[in-house]
Amino acid sequence: DAEITQSPRHKITETGRQVTLACHQTWNHNNMFWYRQDLGHGLRLIHYSYGVQDTNKGEVSDGYSVSRSNTEDLPLTLESAASSQTSVYFCASSDQRTSNEKLFFGSGTQLSVL
Amino acid sequence: AQSVTQLDSHVSVSEGTPVLLRCNYSSSYSPSLFWYVQHPNKGLQLLLKYTSAATLVKGINGFEAEFKKSETSFHLTKPSAHMSDAAEYFCVVSDQGGFKTIFGAGTRLFVKA
Repeated sequence: DAEITQSPRHKITETGRQVTLACHQTWNHNNMFWYRQDLGHGLRLIHYSYGVQDTNKGEVSDGYSVSRSNTEDLPLTLESAASSQTSVYFCASSDQRTSNEKLFFGSGTQLSVL
Repeated sequence: AQSVTQLDSHVSVSEGTPVLLRCNYSSSYSPSLFWYVQHPNKGLQLLLKYTSAATLVKGINGFEAEFKKSETSFHLTKPSAHMSDAAEYFCVVSDQGGFKTIFGAGTRLFVKA
C-alpha cells in the first residue's frame, strides 16, 4: 500500500546544530508539505512543493529549508536549531492532478531542541 | 483572506450522547472545507470534505457536517459518541486549487464512560 513515512519519530538536538527531518511518500503525489504543530496554533505551514525542483515558503518558514530532487522525498532542514523550533513536525502530500485537496499525513516527528 | 475558528478548545461528552464540534470560517471565495481527526501520536486523517455539492456531508465513523453559508459555519456532529472517538479534531479551509490550506487550532474531544 502507498504511504507517507517520516523519520526519525523522535529527535533531541542542541541549539545551533543542523537537523534534517526526512519525508518519503509512495503515493506519487506532486504536492508535498511540511507543517509544525504547536499547542493552540493547530498546524502551520512551513514549506511546500508542487513538484520536482519546486519549493515555496509557507507561513513560518524562517530558519527552515527544503529541497525537492525527486517526487518521493521532501527533507526539511533546520539550519541552526533554536529552542523555539521544538515542536511536532508533520509531512503531508496531495495529488494535484485530480484537483483533490485531500492531504495524506505522516505520523509526525517530535523534535526537541535543548 | 481565509481564516477558520474552532469555537471550543475542549469538548467533553458521555459515551452514547451526541457530539457537536463547532467551526466558523471566512473566505473571500467558495472554499473547500474539511474535518480531520488526529489520534494520539498519529498523523491527521480525513473525516469528511465539503466542496459545494450537498450541504450535508457524511464522513467516516458516523460523523457528518453541515455547511451553512449564511452562518459561515461547518459544525461536525455525531449522534452517539464512542470511546474511540476521543481525539483531536481540526477544521480546515482550503481554496479550490488546494494552494492555500488553513487549519483551525483544534478541538480536543473527551469521551467519558
